[in-house]
Amino acid sequence: DIVMTQSPDSLAVSLGERATINCKSSQSVLYSSNNKSYLAWYQQKPGQPPKLLIYWASTRESGVPDRISGSGSGTDFTLTISSLQAEDVAIYYCQQYYSTPLTFGPGTTVAVK
Amino acid sequence: QVQLVQSGGGLVNPGGSLRLSCVASGFTFSDYYMNWIRQAPGKGPEWVAYISGSGSTKYYADSGKVRFTISRDNAKNSVFLEMNSLRAADTAVYYCARGSDQSSSPVDCWGQGTLVFVTS
Repeated sequence: DIVMTQSPDSLAVSLGERATINCKSSQSVLYSSNNKSYLAWYQQKPGQPPKLLIYWASTRESGVPDRISGSGSGTDFTLTISSLQAEDVAIYYCQQYYSTPLTFGPGTTVAVK
Repeated sequence: QVQLVQSGGGLVNPGGSLRLSCVASGFTFSDYYMNWIRQAPGKGPEWVAYISGSGSTKYYADSGKVRFTISRDNAKNSVFLEMNSLRAADTAVYYCARGSDQSSSPVDCWGQGTLVFVTS
């Protein structure tokens, strides 16, 4: 199984400041034939299901604000919120869909400082 | 709009069984892989199983490989999860969730979730 880890566990950022979350996979999720990393990011708010933000490591889902971006390839990935807004307070999960079982990271809680 | 509406779940004794259902609307159901994903209280999501659009391909996480069965009825735009020999560790909110037309895909739409609580 591919194990996903995230850092930090939590972070507090002032409104308007940058938030950066890291995700690492225990093996590469880059498929060489199409040069795509099979990595997604989700946002979850209390009492709601997760919401897809980013897929293929850096492709923003429709409707996701452009202050949220993803980067990375292979085994190391980053989710960046360039200017934190109050509505971004949530738990963020990375997930690999390169192989079964599909696996999620443990989550990073983002709060306002 | 794309919508997944779940039913089933509830309180069950250890060793018991439950059947979860999920009805889809707003898209061509038979074109999509469908997943069941669960989330224990205070934990991250855990993928449980998926099924291809035709129903011919199914994969399970080890935690449910023998005890759980995923199925679908494309005529009714529905996907199901039959769970047997339930344990306390199966206590979680269970979500049905849409993949894509490929087995390797992110999940872009989730049901509202249904709580399964295994307790004596």
